[in-house]
Amino acid sequence: SYVLTQPPSVSVAPGQTAKITCGGNNIGSKSVHWYQQKPGQAPVLVVYDDSDRPSGIPERVSGSNSGNTATLTISRVEVGDEADYYCQLWDGDSDQRVFGGGTKLTVL
Amino acid sequence: EVQLLESGGGLIQPGGSLRLSCAASGFTFSSHGMSWLRQAPGKGLEWVSSISGGGGTVYYANSARGRFTISRDNSRNTLYLEVNNLRAADTAVYFCAKDGGWGSKIWFDPWGQGTLVTVSS
Repeated sequence: SYVLTQPPSVSVAPGQTAKITCGGNNIGSKSVHWYQQKPGQAPVLVVYDDSDRPSGIPERVSGSNSGNTATLTISRVEVGDEADYYCQLWDGDSDQRVFGGGTKLTVL
Repeated sequence: EVQLLESGGGLIQPGGSLRLSCAASGFTFSSHGMSWLRQAPGKGLEWVSSISGGGGTVYYANSARGRFTISRDNSRNTLYLEVNNLRAADTAVYFCAKDGGWGSKIWFDPWGQGTLVTVSS
């Protein structure tokens, strides 16, 4: 089945830009969604369909998807952005909804 | 405001069965697909199963086929997940979520707060 690969961790200083990648075979041809999960809380959708933001998600959160990599970018990172982030897509070949393994974003 | 409230979790012995419920409010329940997802302690997110708005189409993760059954009662605005022959590996927080999107573009938004299932003797 389709595999999504994320780095286990990303660290960034406050005010800097964090980029979290999600790798998959020809992922650019698929629609990718991103979730933020803080400790003890349910996940929250932060980007859908590669680059759209739900209402309430700040503009400094953005997504892109091309080739074999989808990327979640968080600009002007704040301490409150510290969380686990997961990418997700639907694999039509296997009819499975697939998650990446998750990336822990640490704000130094 | 969309609200999803899971219930039915708890401590279950290996080999046992359970039925999880997810009470939905704040939207037209029968018009939306719904899903169950889970997260084992300290692990990542895993999709388990989804069901169409009318209940006629169901989808299962490969790991969930055979022991898991998703269903819904649109008259009660409630989603269910039945799990049989529970194993220690089924220990997880189980979330329900409302499906967003269409066709090949399906996401989960929002999620309930989850219910913990612990399988242990």
